[in-house]
Amino acid sequence: DIQMTQSPSSLSASVGDRVTITCQASQDISNYLNWYQQKPGKAPKLLIYDASNLETGVPSRFSGSGSGTDFIFTISSLQPEDIATYYCQQYDNLPYTFGQGTKLEI
Amino acid sequence: EVQLVESGGGLVKPGGSLKLSCAASGFTFSNAWMSWVRQAPGKGLEWVGRFKSKTDGGTTDYAAPVKGRFTISRDDSKNTLYLQMNSLKTEDTAVYYCITDLGGHLDSWGQGTLVTVSS
Repeated sequence: DIQMTQSPSSLSASVGDRVTITCQASQDISNYLNWYQQKPGKAPKLLIYDASNLETGVPSRFSGSGSGTDFIFTISSLQPEDIATYYCQQYDNLPYTFGQGTKLEI
Repeated sequence: EVQLVESGGGLVKPGGSLKLSCAASGFTFSNAWMSWVRQAPGKGLEWVGRFKSKTDGGTTDYAAPVKGRFTISRDDSKNTLYLQMNSLKTEDTAVYYCITDLGGHLDSWGQGTLVTVSS
């Protein structure tokens, strides 16, 4: 299985801050990488697909980049409603695998 | 609007069985690949398995921890996806989500249903 390693596992930031989360795959996954947001008590929501494409309706402060084994998720200006846990997920090979999550706090 | 509503969760003893359902609406269910993902209490996300649309072969794939114990099925006439879970273990305790699977993009998620395996 492809292992996905996210860092940090938790992050405290202030409103307006630029926030960056990294995700590293244990092997080359090209751009087959998605990012999800999960708010407390809710189902996850797809934010970014194919490493850098913003899902329809997702605010432009969210962005993603990378390919191969190293990926970055960025919130350009943190808002209070961005409090959530964020997960990366690869779909290059089955089984789909997720990073362990990054819990974002303000 | 896509809607996915899971049901069938509950408390079951180790070794027991449970069948989850996922009622779908707002899209052409028969054309959709569907996945199940679970989340143990306070833990991360784990993919369980998927069912491709019949037009794409109608095949199933499973994660290793559930292979041979869980079976995903679908009834396209009822727009419903199922997850039959047998030989349940305490480590299967989780919220189970039904999701539209766009070839790896887990696009629309249900609200989840909690399965608790405990004696």
